[in-house]
Amino acid sequence: DAGVTQSPTHLIKTRGQQVTLRCSPISGHKSVSWYQQVLGQGPQFIFQYYEKEERGRGNFPDRFSARQFPNYSSELNVNALLLGDSALYLCASSPLGRGGGSNQPQHFGDGTRLSIL
Amino acid sequence: AQTVTQSQPEMSVQEAETVTLSCTYDTSESNYYLFWYKQPPSRQMILVIRQEAYKQQNATENRFSVNFQKAAKSFSLKISDSQLGDTAMYFCAFTPYSGNTPLVFGKGTRLSVIA
Repeated sequence: DAGVTQSPTHLIKTRGQQVTLRCSPISGHKSVSWYQQVLGQGPQFIFQYYEKEERGRGNFPDRFSARQFPNYSSELNVNALLLGDSALYLCASSPLGRGGGSNQPQHFGDGTRLSIL
Repeated sequence: AQTVTQSQPEMSVQEAETVTLSCTYDTSESNYYLFWYKQPPSRQMILVIRQEAYKQQNATENRFSVNFQKAAKSFSLKISDSQLGDTAMYFCAFTPYSGNTPLVFGKGTRLSVIA
């Protein structure tokens, strides 16, 4: 079975531009979460979606937005890019479980490395 | 707010030896889950082991085991018979049992296994 897939693997943008990152969860997983991992740090939670609805949001500005599609894939959009947005963006999926997935381990993709020049 | 602290930024161990990585956390929740994730240079975050707080028995997965001390809010990872492929960043993570809550990660420990 395919794992969590993310695209693109690497992206270079300039300040002020907009970017869209994509994620396909493991088949049968209905919950998708996005994390930002700055170099040398642990991942920080950005968004969680379940059944196409936002179920949680981390402490990130409104420049960050996301959505989930009927096939449970997800997109993360970041507008007006800043140098500080340079990071590895990880997508994780989990199956349906009580609490919407918090009692099921999350499976991560390989991430998208976003570099802002 | 929940926090996870990993006090060892870097560690090294000889191949075939045993190493223990430390993790402490802070929460007011009574039921929760704790995880250790491994992130090799390939970037993918791989689940190593997980512990449910209401289970007193320490989790074990082959060469990986944990020492879960709920009262002390401590969750250390022991790697036995270390292998070169264990070289990676190791992250301790926490999530409450209730609600659609995300993982809270520590800053990680970089483990190097030396031949």
